[in-house]
Amino acid sequence: SQQGEEDPQALSIQEGENATMNCSYKTSINNLQWYRQNSGRGLVHLILIRSNEREKHSGRLRVTLDTSKKSSSLLITASRAADTASYFCATDAIQGAQKLVFGQGTRLTINP
Amino acid sequence: DSGVTQTPKHLITATGQRVTLRCSPRSGDLSVYWYQQSLDQGLQFLIQYYNGEERAKGNILERFSAQQFPDLHSELNLSSLELGDSALYFCASSARSSYNSPLHFGNGTRLTVT
Repeated sequence: SQQGEEDPQALSIQEGENATMNCSYKTSINNLQWYRQNSGRGLVHLILIRSNEREKHSGRLRVTLDTSKKSSSLLITASRAADTASYFCATDAIQGAQKLVFGQGTRLTINP
Repeated sequence: DSGVTQTPKHLITATGQRVTLRCSPRSGDLSVYWYQQSLDQGLQFLIQYYNGEERAKGNILERFSAQQFPDLHSELNLSSLELGDSALYFCASSARSSYNSPLHFGNGTRLTVT
């Protein structure tokens, strides 16, 4: 299966701390995307990183991609209570069925 | 607001019944995707349409079908419903048929089968 796997499954930190989530996948990819989902709501796109990119920033978000290890990480700096959500990575394989496959997600809780 | 509209927001129905979920994509987007999210299976890709044509198929049951109309809105039909079909059903849209651009998700339809 190509499905990405996030690690940890759940993360609880204090407001102001940094949060790091990891994603591993199994097959070669074109792109990797990170999404956020607030409870019961639709997913919101955060960052797309292409297979030839190693790092990307967007505000307090930093994403890295290591294609040799088939892994990515999402770093949220100076966390806020509003960052409480589930975070998913999604990958599209170079070969095989064209679909965007989501991992099981990391549930992030920011404690005030 | 993602610009993707899904109706209804909630749906409660009985086993064996048939329901239709509706999705209006973001203005200008040609691709529509359907995903099912349940606690035990996570977010599962069902099907993708691009400009009216089926583009990719995922783990969609034979009891489920979908289509995209000329005005680009899409419908997901679920029939012979079972308790296990209870889930959140998301529609997403994007400008292109490939995955090198973000997907924009609606807020989903919560289906409860009793």
